[in-house]
Amino acid sequence: QVQLQESGPGLVKPSETLSLTCAVSGYSISSGYYWGWIRQPPGKGLEWIGSIYHSGSTYYNPSLKSRVTISVDTSKNQFSLKLSSVTAADTAVYYCARGVDTAMVYYFDYWGQGTLVTVSS
Amino acid sequence: SYELTQPPSVSVSPGQTASITCSGDKLGDKYACWYQQKPGQSPVLVIYQDSKRPSGIPERFSGSNSGNTATLTISGTQAMDEADYYCQAWDSSIPYVFGTGTKVTVL
Repeated sequence: QVQLQESGPGLVKPSETLSLTCAVSGYSISSGYYWGWIRQPPGKGLEWIGSIYHSGSTYYNPSLKSRVTISVDTSKNQFSLKLSSVTAADTAVYYCARGVDTAMVYYFDYWGQGTLVTVSS
Repeated sequence: SYELTQPPSVSVSPGQTASITCSGDKLGDKYACWYQQKPGQSPVLVIYQDSKRPSGIPERFSGSNSGNTATLTISGTQAMDEADYYCQAWDSSIPYVFGTGTKVTVL
């Protein structure tokens, strides 16, 4: 069974960089699939942040692209998110997920439990 | 940018059928999927590629997609189906576009 677990600080100061890691178990990232980050502000809907392939190929939401970096560490079977220059608007539950991305078929089939990140001084 | 619009809420009586719509320009030309999210939990994929059910998802969940509208249908709705539901599709501008979300209430 594929499992994903997010970890990282729950509180980040404005203008600083949010950093999260997603540890994957039950499946080797090197075997394929895309691996993504999605966020959900309190009481609001879902927003895709970006995704990475095991090779390191990335693609990002254009609205966040200038501030987002996603990287992968296949030796640790994990991938990471960095979001710079955060503001209160970046307060959200952040999820990592496994993404299917083939021939116009795009969806996330396994999700982590999510981690709340609050941006506040 | 591409947008997917859902009704904010849908109410249904136990045992009846709930239909949740997702509207977007030429959505029928794309593949849609649906997620169920219960309070405090992560989203769960219930339909992918318009009408396919992942392993473990009850048969009462079904999907269709044509024209500008994708529809998630819950037949014989149960109290446990009360949740928020999100559609999602691909667009050339952004590969994972989520709908606005629909709260399903089982009265």
